[in-house]
Amino acid sequence: QKEVEQDPGPLSVPEGAIVSLNCTYSNSAFQYFMWYRQYSRKGPELLMYTYSSGNKEDGRFTAQVDKSSKYISLFIRDSQPSDSATYLCATRNAGGTSYGKLTFGQGTILTVHP
Amino acid sequence: KAGVTQTPRYLIKTRGQQVTLSCSPISGHRSVSWYQQTPGQGLQFLFEYFSETQRNKGNFPGRFSGRQFSNSRSEMNVSTLELGDSALYLCASSLGTSGRASINEQFFGPGTRLTVL
Repeated sequence: QKEVEQDPGPLSVPEGAIVSLNCTYSNSAFQYFMWYRQYSRKGPELLMYTYSSGNKEDGRFTAQVDKSSKYISLFIRDSQPSDSATYLCATRNAGGTSYGKLTFGQGTILTVHP
Repeated sequence: KAGVTQTPRYLIKTRGQQVTLSCSPISGHRSVSWYQQTPGQGLQFLFEYFSETQRNKGNFPGRFSGRQFSNSRSEMNVSTLELGDSALYLCASSLGTSGRASINEQFFGPGTRLTVL
């Protein structure tokens, strides 16, 4: 079983829809949680970063972490065709020598059609 | 500020050969991490180098190795290539150290697409 599970989709929604992307993790040592977006033929780029349980909002994006149930989510409001990409959740341990080691979910392919 | 660069962008090799991939981090970044991305396994961590020392290692066989130079540029080598090594190899650079408000964000390069025939 993978340490981070993510439904690969694909997910297809109409423009303007609210998108919900989710991951679960099994390792309690994971303390930092990230969402990356990857366009075709590009490297991943960081969208959101959270540490505490709760919500974090940035424009149309909201990241949610529930450490008690080991569940992380990303919500995209008013989705746009330009949001079409693969979304990857990622986690890492806290501090020490773990900075450079991220554990990723499988990635969810999202298509937003006009 | 220039981003992370990787060379070459595309590579075709045959089984049994070896390959070396190169990564130039963002100026000032001392940490370079390498990942393998495949449709079946997703993004998997290979190893991380910080100040020329391997600081973290993933669960890959010894055929996968790397090194980092004094200017933080990094190379990874795969010996005795297998068909299953076909993948997108991504490197990411970061500061590598903590700060009060630092999340040590990793910035990814565009990757090297390796095809093993």
